[in-house]
Amino acid sequence: EPEVTQTPSHQVTQMGQEVILRCVPISNHLYFYWYRQILGQKVEFLVSFYNNEISEKSEIFDDQFSVERPDGSNFTLKIRSTKLEDSAMYFCASRIIGAYEQYFGPGTRLTVT
Amino acid sequence: AQSVTQLDSQVPVFEEAPVELRCNYSSSVSVYLFWYVQYPNQGLQLLLKYLSGSTLVKGINGFEAEFNKSQTSFHLRKPSVHISDTAEYFCAVRGYNNDYKLSFGAGTTVTVRA
Repeated sequence: EPEVTQTPSHQVTQMGQEVILRCVPISNHLYFYWYRQILGQKVEFLVSFYNNEISEKSEIFDDQFSVERPDGSNFTLKIRSTKLEDSAMYFCASRIIGAYEQYFGPGTRLTVT
Repeated sequence: AQSVTQLDSQVPVFEEAPVELRCNYSSSVSVYLFWYVQYPNQGLQLLLKYLSGSTLVKGINGFEAEFNKSQTSFHLRKPSVHISDTAEYFCAVRGYNNDYKLSFGAGTTVTVRA
């Protein structure tokens, strides 16, 4: 069964460094999403992406964040200058046109020290 | 905007006993509702969804949920749990409008004991 994959599974970085989290959505899905879950808190929406542009973003998704689909398979989330409060589990999700459910990857645990 | 409240943060239950996980939502528009499960060290897996029609929906692994519009609830149930049902369960909602993002509850951790 096709699934969303994410790399790396765990990333440790120092405050102020740039990180890129990678996702490979399910191959025939065209809507892509990033969510995050800070330890002990709810899963929060960050951004949705369709047709090579952002379709919606939350107030969390400020200028430090960017997303890109650099080729036909990868979908990336870049944090330009990480802060301690960016430490969280980041989930990528994808959705097929016409469907309502999103399919999630296993997540990348980002630890900023 | 939508919000979700999961009323129980932790639910311990014995094997073969029934379990109910409570979910209430608030929204100014009609909604689609989902339950996801997260097994240890894995991603979020869709258990079931309510889009329209029958208010009782069945999902994978013997789970079912009932949509109650008047009580704005979408409680998840399983009549007999297994050790393998130990996981965290998330209720999520999406509005009928073009707001495709999901709003999640805080999650309920189910621990099944022999």
